[in-house]
Amino acid sequence: KQEVTQIPAALSVPEGENLVLNCSFTDSAIYNLQWFRQDPGKGLTSLLLIQSSQREQTSGRLNASLDKSSGRSTLYIAASQPGDSATYLCAAGGDRDDKIIFGKGTRLHILP
Amino acid sequence: EAGVVQSPRYKIIEKKQPVAFWCNPISGHNTLYWYLQNLGQGPELLIRYENEEAVDDSQLPKDRFSAERLKGVDSTLKIQPAELGDSAVYLCASSEGGFYNEQFFGPGTRLTVL
Repeated sequence: KQEVTQIPAALSVPEGENLVLNCSFTDSAIYNLQWFRQDPGKGLTSLLLIQSSQREQTSGRLNASLDKSSGRSTLYIAASQPGDSATYLCAAGGDRDDKIIFGKGTRLHILP
Repeated sequence: EAGVVQSPRYKIIEKKQPVAFWCNPISGHNTLYWYLQNLGQGPELLIRYENEEAVDDSQLPKDRFSAERLKGVDSTLKIQPAELGDSAVYLCASSEGGFYNEQFFGPGTRLTVL
C-alpha cells in the first residue's frame, strides 16, 4: 500500500530565501506526482504535475523534480515571498491500483 | 473559465441528521472526485467517477454515505445519518480525460456535526 510522507511538517524561513520541500513515497510504481498548495479554509490549488516519464516541471519560481527510483519528489521555491505562506501537499498517483495518495503536507511560513 | 463549484460552503447539523453536498465540476471534465479532509491531514478519496460511472468507491462508507452523478456532470454526496466523526471538510475535484491528468479542486464544504 502506497504511503506518502512529507517532512518537515512545518517550516519557517525568512523572506527572500530559496527553499526545498520534500515528498517521499514507498511504491515507485506511480504514473504521476502532483504538488498543491492550500491556504487556510480553502481548497487545493494545483501547482505542478509531473508525469512518471518526466524528471521535472517548472512554473515561475517553482520547480518540482521527481526521482521514482528513490521514491522522492522535491518542490523548490526560489526567492520566497510572504504570499507563499500556505500548506503544500504532494499526491502520488499509483500505477498498480489507480489510487491517488496524499501526504499530510508541509506548513510553510515566510517571515517578512 | 469557472472552477469547481461546491455548495454549501459550511454546514452545521446535529448527529443523526441527513446532509447533502453538491459539486459542479469544470465544464468538460469527465472525471469527478469526492475527498474527505480532516484537520492536519491530506485529502482521502471517497469516490471517483468517470462520467456517470463510479469506478472507485472502495473508501466510501456505504452504510451511511451515498453519491450520485446521474448525467455525468454535477454530483451529490449524501450522509445519512451523520455521526460526530463525520465532521471534516468535503472536497470535490475534477480532471479532464481521466485520473492521469491534473486535478482541480473546489473550495470544499466544512461540515460540523454536533
